[in-house]
Amino acid sequence: ETGVTQSPTHLIKTRGQQVTLRCSSQSGHNTVSWYQQALGQGPQFIFQYYREEENGRGNFPPRFSGLQFPNYSSELNVNALELDDSALYLCASSLPQGQGNYGYTFGSGTRLTVV
Amino acid sequence: DQQVKQNSPSLSVQEGRISILNCDYTNSMFDYFLWYKKYPAEGPTFLISISSIKDKNEDGRFTVFLNKSAKHLSLHIVPSQPGDSAVYFCAASAFGNEKLTFGTGTRLTIIP
Repeated sequence: ETGVTQSPTHLIKTRGQQVTLRCSSQSGHNTVSWYQQALGQGPQFIFQYYREEENGRGNFPPRFSGLQFPNYSSELNVNALELDDSALYLCASSLPQGQGNYGYTFGSGTRLTVV
Repeated sequence: DQQVKQNSPSLSVQEGRISILNCDYTNSMFDYFLWYKKYPAEGPTFLISISSIKDKNEDGRFTVFLNKSAKHLSLHIVPSQPGDSAVYFCAASAFGNEKLTFGTGTRLTIIP
C-alpha cells in the first residue's frame, strides 16, 4: 500500500510568480485535501477534491486553485505569490466520510518559500 | 477565530509517566475528533479518534477522552516513551463537512 507522495519537497519562488504543487493519493483513496501550515500554526484547510470536483473550500482567495485527475492525484496552483504564502503545504487523501475509518493520510508536504 | 485550541504549546514528561495533552473547542457542530502526531520533516500521522457519541476511546497506550458539555478533549499516553516526542495536533470535524479544523499543536518532549 503506497502512501501519499508530494512533489517537490522544497521550493523557492519570487513574489508575483506562480507555483504548482503535486500530490499522489494513497492507493484506494478517492478524496484529496490540501492544507497550509504556517510556522507555529496548525494546518489550515484550503480545499478538497472528490471525483475531480471541488468539494469544500476554506478561507483562501481564488488565486489558490486546484485540480484532481481521474487517477485521484491532485495539483495545487497558487498565482501571484505573496510573502505570506510561505508555508508547508500538506496534501491528504482519504475515503469520503462514512466509508471506512475516517482519517486522513498526509504526505510529508512541500515547503514553499516566497522571497 | 480559533475554533480548536491547544493552550499548552509545550509539555515535558518523564519517560514511563503519563502524558496528558489537552484540547478545547468552541463549535458545537463538531462531532468527530482526531489526534495527529507530527515529527519534523514529516506529515501528520493519524493517532486516534473519537466520535461524539462516545466519551472514551482506547488504543494501546493511547486513550482519548471527550467531555462534550465542557467542549474539551484530552489525549493520555501511558506509559510515555522517548519515541512519543513529537508535536501533537488535535483536530475536529462536523458531519457532512469534510474539512478538519486543527489546533496549533503541543510539542511533547519525553525525558529519558
